[in-house]
Amino acid sequence: GQQLNQSPQSMFIQEGEDVSMNCTSSSIFNTWLWYKQDPGEGPVLLIALYKAGELTSNGRLTAQFGITRKDSFLNISASIPSDVGIYFCAGPLSGNTGKLIFGQGTTLQVKP
Amino acid sequence: NAGVTQTPKFRVLKTGQSMTLLCAQDMNHEYMYWYRQDPGMGLRLIHYSVGEGTTAKGEVPDGYNVSRLKKQNFLLGLESAAPSQTSVYFCASSPLSYAGGPGELFFGEGSRLTVL
Repeated sequence: GQQLNQSPQSMFIQEGEDVSMNCTSSSIFNTWLWYKQDPGEGPVLLIALYKAGELTSNGRLTAQFGITRKDSFLNISASIPSDVGIYFCAGPLSGNTGKLIFGQGTTLQVKP
Repeated sequence: NAGVTQTPKFRVLKTGQSMTLLCAQDMNHEYMYWYRQDPGMGLRLIHYSVGEGTTAKGEVPDGYNVSRLKKQNFLLGLESAAPSQTSVYFCASSPLSYAGGPGELFFGEGSRLTVL
């Protein structure tokens, strides 16, 4: 079936380091969404991408919509302890069915 | 300023019991979703709805039923609970996006269900 493959599964980094994670699929997506989930809470939207090639920033976060429409990347610069959490990519499957699926998540831990 | 509200927040069931999770949104969103979250599995789509009176199957629909009789409410039912349905359940809603179809999801706080 259509899936979103997210990597890496987990990262343990030092405070101040930059972080990169990505999401790939065998299917084409028209929208890519990046979410962060803190423990015990629901996911919160970080960045939404709607056009192939689009590069969007939100503070220290930057995300890109891949040209092939089959991948997306999220970068976090100069990580801080509050960046800890699970990061998810998500997107609605093509065909405007409304079906919106998530990747498996990247768990980020930041060492002060 | 309610957003998406899920009830109940916690529930413990015995195998074979039935229950209904209620999701309510006050943002007039067209799309509503039920996901389950298990460790290492991310968020998996159970069922979703693209509008009042419509429902559709997601990635893991077996053992669940849903109804959307009113635009603001999306109910998730377990007819005969099984231990494999122990999970955290999230409801979400979305308006129509710039690109057509759903866009940003607004999530409830989650409902933790344990089936013994």
